[in-house]
Amino acid sequence: GESVGLHLPTLSVQEGDNSIINCAYSNSASDYFIWYKQESGKGPQFIIDIRSNMDKRQGQRVTVLLNKTVKHLSLQIAATQPGDSAVYFCAETPGNQFYFGTGTSLTVIP
Amino acid sequence: ETGVTQTPRHLVMGMTNKKSLKCEQHLGHNAMYWYKQSAKKPLELMFVYSLEERVENNSVPSRFSPECPNSSHLFLHLHTLQPEDSALYLCASSQEFMSEKLFFGSGTQLSVL
Repeated sequence: GESVGLHLPTLSVQEGDNSIINCAYSNSASDYFIWYKQESGKGPQFIIDIRSNMDKRQGQRVTVLLNKTVKHLSLQIAATQPGDSAVYFCAETPGNQFYFGTGTSLTVIP
Repeated sequence: ETGVTQTPRHLVMGMTNKKSLKCEQHLGHNAMYWYKQSAKKPLELMFVYSLEERVENNSVPSRFSPECPNSSHLFLHLHTLQPEDSALYLCASSQEFMSEKLFFGSGTQLSVL
């Protein structure tokens, strides 16, 4: 089966600092990647996606980096805010099914 | 609001009960999914419907029975569940089957006693 993992299960950051959440994947055939945010009591919310023909994509306060050489994906959140506290997980797909990571719990310290 | 609505939000049922989970998407998507989310485990795909036809049944026990009457609605019928079936059940939709980002509902938190 697919292995989509995250380097750290928990991450605490000071409000205003930048956050970096990492994800490793194992299927070199995967060509589409997504980051989701899940707040307590809610379903996963789409944050940003990237296709394998790119290595960087920016959104509002978020940046996703893709390193296909080492099969690594990261999510950078600039100027982290208390509302960013949630579980973040990555998803990958080679086109036939999505594979999800277990998630990193981000806590923002005021 | 993601455009995917699930009801009920919470459900407690005994092992002999029959209940149904409902999902409705307002996005005009062609594919709908049921996922199971258990604590500290990745999302597990249960069923996929594309254009109202089931395209995937991921080895799910027969006590879970999906129904897709039209492209906007998806049901998950539950009967004789086990305590280990307690989990968050998430409905999702996407424009096309497995090729675009999934939009999730808020889920139904199910407890089986």
